[in-house]
Amino acid sequence: GIQVEQSPPDLILQEGANSTLRCNFSDSVNNLQWFHQNPWGQLINLFYIPSGTKQNGRLSATTVATERYSLLYISSSQTTDSGVYFCAGAAGGYQKVTFGTGTKLQVIP
Amino acid sequence: DARVTQTPRHKVTEMGQEVTMRCQPILGHNTVFWYRQTMMQGLELLAYFRNRAPLDDSGMPKDRFSAEMPDATLATLKIQPSEPRDSAVYFCASGFRVTGNTIYFGEGSWLTVV
Repeated sequence: GIQVEQSPPDLILQEGANSTLRCNFSDSVNNLQWFHQNPWGQLINLFYIPSGTKQNGRLSATTVATERYSLLYISSSQTTDSGVYFCAGAAGGYQKVTFGTGTKLQVIP
Repeated sequence: DARVTQTPRHKVTEMGQEVTMRCQPILGHNTVFWYRQTMMQGLELLAYFRNRAPLDDSGMPKDRFSAEMPDATLATLKIQPSEPRDSAVYFCASGFRVTGNTIYFGEGSWLTVV
């Protein structure tokens, strides 16, 4: 299966700051998703984005499939953005969805 | 509001006991995943099914773990016998036609084996 690397592993932000999280894939993917795991452990879908750019409020994501990476942008961060952000991808016909190790974000007031 | 339902939400059991976790995927979804999350290993894929058929269970310890889909509305993950190292959160997720669609997670089953 594919390998998924995320950076940075940890991030501390002051409320209101912006940040960029990165996800690199070892192979081309035809399924790429971003998730947020909140402090209660729930995994929430943020984006399905195998290519291109999408925006949802203060969050946006860009995937450059040919270069095997994806970026998640968080603008004007809020304390509720704290948690762990995962990217996950799958390649090939069987769609084995593999997760990265996550970026742990803490937004402080 | 469609969602993936997992039971039990929390389970404490003694080493050696059998544990069964259940998952009801979102109606109409034909792909079901089982993941295990620990601090050390992150989110590991244990097994996944499409149209109730197992496609890959290479992430699962075969000697003690088994996963099945008796019907389209129920997926089970069984551990027998359980060991302390199995303590983790087990997530089920479902999707329809994984290419072109996102997958949705249940709230997880928090397992502690003492």
